[in-house]
Amino acid sequence: QKEVEQNSGPLSVPEGAIASLNCTYSDRGSQSFFWYRQYSGKSPELIMSIYSNGDKEDGRFTAQLNKASQYVSLLIRDSQPSDSATYLCAVNIGSHSSASKIIFGSGTRLSIRP
Amino acid sequence: DVKVTQSSRYLVKRTGEKVFLECVQDMDHENMFWYRQDPGLGLRLIYFSYDVKMKEKGDIPEGYSVSREKKERFSLILESASTNQTSMYLCASRHRRDRTLNTEAFFGQGTRLTVV
Repeated sequence: QKEVEQNSGPLSVPEGAIASLNCTYSDRGSQSFFWYRQYSGKSPELIMSIYSNGDKEDGRFTAQLNKASQYVSLLIRDSQPSDSATYLCAVNIGSHSSASKIIFGSGTRLSIRP
Repeated sequence: DVKVTQSSRYLVKRTGEKVFLECVQDMDHENMFWYRQDPGLGLRLIYFSYDVKMKEKGDIPEGYSVSREKKERFSLILESASTNQTSMYLCASRHRRDRTLNTEAFFGQGTRLTVV
C-alpha cells in the first residue's frame, strides 16, 4: 500500500463549479497534511496546510481532514481556468521522530473547462 | 520570502559521470529534502536531512548519495549517472517547528537532468 494515494485524473470541471480532490494516507500517526499546486514546468507551491480534524477555509479553497478515516480532501469553489494544474497531496510521515519526512501522492491533474 | 536555490536549471551529463546537484536555502531551515519527479509517479523522496551531517534514506536512494556539511546546503550526488536517472530533481527545505506539527516545505526551481 502506498503511503499517500490520489486519483491521477485528469479531473475535468466546468468553470464556476466546485472541484473536489481526494487523498488517503496509511500512517495513522500523521499529524500534518498539505496541499500543493503545480503548474506545468514549475515547482510545487503550497496552497494549504491542515493539522486538525474538520474543515479549514482560505478564500475559494477548503481543506478537509478526517484522521479516523485517514482521508484528506481539497475543495475549490468557483473554479477558474487559472486553477488548471496538478494538485499534490502531501503528508508528514513519522511525526514523532526527529527524522520525519514529507511524502507526496502522485498528484491529480485538474482541468477547468470554459 | 523563503528562497531555495538549485545550482542548475538544466543539466546534460554522460552515462558514468559523477554528478553533483546543489541546493542552498537562506532561511536557516533544519530539514532539507531531495525528490525526483517523473510523469505519472509524482514526487518520490530520494534522501532527506534533518540537521547538519544527518541524513536518512527516502523511498528511492539507490544510485544516489547526499552531503550536508553546512546547514544551508544540501548536495545530491549521482555516483555513476545512468540513463534511468534522467528526471526532474527538486530540492525542498522546511523549519522544524516541533515534534507533532511539522511545517510545510518550500521548493527550489528544479533541475532537469538528462543523462545521455
